[in-house]
Amino acid sequence: NAGVMQNPRHLVRRRGQEARLRCSPMKGHSHVYWYRQLPEEGLKFMVYLQKENIIDESGMPKERFSAEFPKEGPSILRIQQVVRGDSAAYFCASSPPVGEQYFGPGTRLTVT
Amino acid sequence: GENVEQHPSTLSVQEGDSAVIKCTYSDSASNYFPWYKQELGKGPQLIIDIRSNVGEKKDQRIAVTLNKTAKHFSLHITETQPEDSAVYFCAADEETSGSRLTFGEGTQLTVNP
Repeated sequence: NAGVMQNPRHLVRRRGQEARLRCSPMKGHSHVYWYRQLPEEGLKFMVYLQKENIIDESGMPKERFSAEFPKEGPSILRIQQVVRGDSAAYFCASSPPVGEQYFGPGTRLTVT
Repeated sequence: GENVEQHPSTLSVQEGDSAVIKCTYSDSASNYFPWYKQELGKGPQLIIDIRSNVGEKKDQRIAVTLNKTAKHFSLHITETQPEDSAVYFCAADEETSGSRLTFGEGTQLTVNP
């Protein structure tokens, strides 16, 4: 049973470009969460999604950030017009409706 | 919202000694407390969790205790080994459908051979 998959593992973008991060949940999991980890810090919640629905986006910055989890395919975290402060590790987790969250290996975004 | 504080931020022990990491939380509605281990360059790995209906849970060399009255919980690792070296995060959650984890800031544990 494959775990949570994220790609790419590393992503380099210049300031002003767009970043797209993908997450495929564990088989049987219908809930996806995105967290951001700045260097030397803990993980901060960004958004929680179910298929075709954003349930809680209270941790998402108001501008430039969006997330989706379409009926088919992976969940996507999209960052438009990236700035240096967006450089971080972005982790996706998945869970059943109630239960443990399992994390993917993360995408490390570097903005130059 | 929930606030989780974790101490210490760094911990260095000799191989074979015990390590204890402590966390406090603020929201009395929280009832699920997982611990994650994160190795360099990897995602957090769930190592043990406890729910509010029990006070202690043990899994081989790892144990977690919970004091709901005082709103604190602790991770205990006995007979530490070099491969236990990692960053450990505590978290708290209401564990309703889709509730999100609030993490502590992490503890860098180093086990010296």
